[in-house]
Amino acid sequence: EIVLTQSPGTLSLSPGERVTLSCRASQSVSSNYLAWYQQKPGQAPRLLIYDASSRATGIPDRFSGSGSGTDFTLTISRLEPEDFAVYYCQQYGSSLITFGQGTRLEIK
Amino acid sequence: EVQLVESGGGLVQPGGSLRLSCAASGFTFSTYWMHWARQAPGQGLVWVSRIKTDGSYTNYADSVKGRFTISRDNAKNTLYMQMNSLRAEDTAVYYCANSRSSGYLDSWGQGTLVTVSS
Repeated sequence: EIVLTQSPGTLSLSPGERVTLSCRASQSVSSNYLAWYQQKPGQAPRLLIYDASSRATGIPDRFSGSGSGTDFTLTISRLEPEDFAVYYCQQYGSSLITFGQGTRLEIK
Repeated sequence: EVQLVESGGGLVQPGGSLRLSCAASGFTFSTYWMHWARQAPGQGLVWVSRIKTDGSYTNYADSVKGRFTISRDNAKNTLYMQMNSLRAEDTAVYYCANSRSSGYLDSWGQGTLVTVSS
């Protein structure tokens, strides 16, 4: 099973700032099959990025994904108030799909 | 608009069974892989199982293998999860989700809460 470790666990930032979230895999993710999700309290997760760098339908271009192999990042270029949420990475390159433990993005 | 509506959750005793359903609309159900994922209260997301478009392939997280069975009825646009031998650690909100590929989860339902407790 591929273990995904997200860092940091919690981040406190202000609207307008740029943020980079990290997701590190315990082994190489095949074909860079890595996705990112956003989840707000009481809501279902929402797909942001798939295949490491492709934005899902309707996702603003301030969200971008990058990385390969074992190291992946999600960048939000300018934080909007609605971006404060929990973010999860997920790998689907192996038969057993796994999620990271999440990074909570808080308003400073 | 894609809609996924889960049902069938509730309170069940340890060792008991439940069957979850997920009614799908707004997309061509038979052409999408489908998944179940869960989230224990205050915890992160955990993938549970997936099923291929025609039901010919399924796989499961180790934690539920042998106890849970995923299935689908393409004529009814409905996904199912039969959960047997339930344990306290199965307590979670269960989400269904669709997937154009086999792996990333495009759209999610709002979830149904399963509580395993005596």
